[in-house]
Amino acid sequence: ETGVTQTPRHLVMGMTNKKSLKCEQHLGHNAMYWYKQSAKKPLELMFVYSLEERVENNSVPSRFSPECPNSSHLFLHLHTLQPEDSALYLCASSQDWRGLNTEAFFGQGTRLTVV
Amino acid sequence: DQQVKQNSPSLSVQEGRISILNCDYTNSMFDYFLWYKKYPAEGPTFLISISSIKDKNEDGRFTVFLNKSAKHLSLHIVPSQPGDSAVYFCAAKDAGNMLTFGGGTRLMVKP
Repeated sequence: ETGVTQTPRHLVMGMTNKKSLKCEQHLGHNAMYWYKQSAKKPLELMFVYSLEERVENNSVPSRFSPECPNSSHLFLHLHTLQPEDSALYLCASSQDWRGLNTEAFFGQGTRLTVV
Repeated sequence: DQQVKQNSPSLSVQEGRISILNCDYTNSMFDYFLWYKKYPAEGPTFLISISSIKDKNEDGRFTVFLNKSAKHLSLHIVPSQPGDSAVYFCAAKDAGNMLTFGGGTRLMVKP
């Protein structure tokens, strides 16, 4: 069983659709993250949750709405996306979100295509 | 402006030879550096890290070198194996901050 699990692995959605990405971690970590990986761009941090509270929001458009109901689960709710939002969305977790030695463990990602 | 840069998008190496992946950073407050490896259709996995108080960290075939004055770090893989073919991401953080990633370098190890 992988430490961080993301579903679905692939998602195709229209610009008027509403969908959600799910992430679950089984590592007992306190922090969870959403990253976006677009073609030929560095991994971009979107959101950080620590102990179920959002601690970072990197100027992400409101059409992306995160939710962290507990320390093991993280969702990314999507609505009225644009084709340029097509990317690989990666969830990660770490023991803590501050301090050294907080390596992040990543899920396999959701490949999102907006049509 | 990218604070962590990997200027080589790809690198091709013969099996058995050394692979050297480079990473430059601009933020002098970064004090911890990590390398992640990513296979297609998988998330990045942690590979090796180094604190700014060190200039070298070795783990098996993988060695990371840090040159703080040049704001440069490198990952050496020796000997390279075909299974090392992947995208390698350099990442950096300062105390109390999140990881900042480079754009990645695709390594291809040819048999």
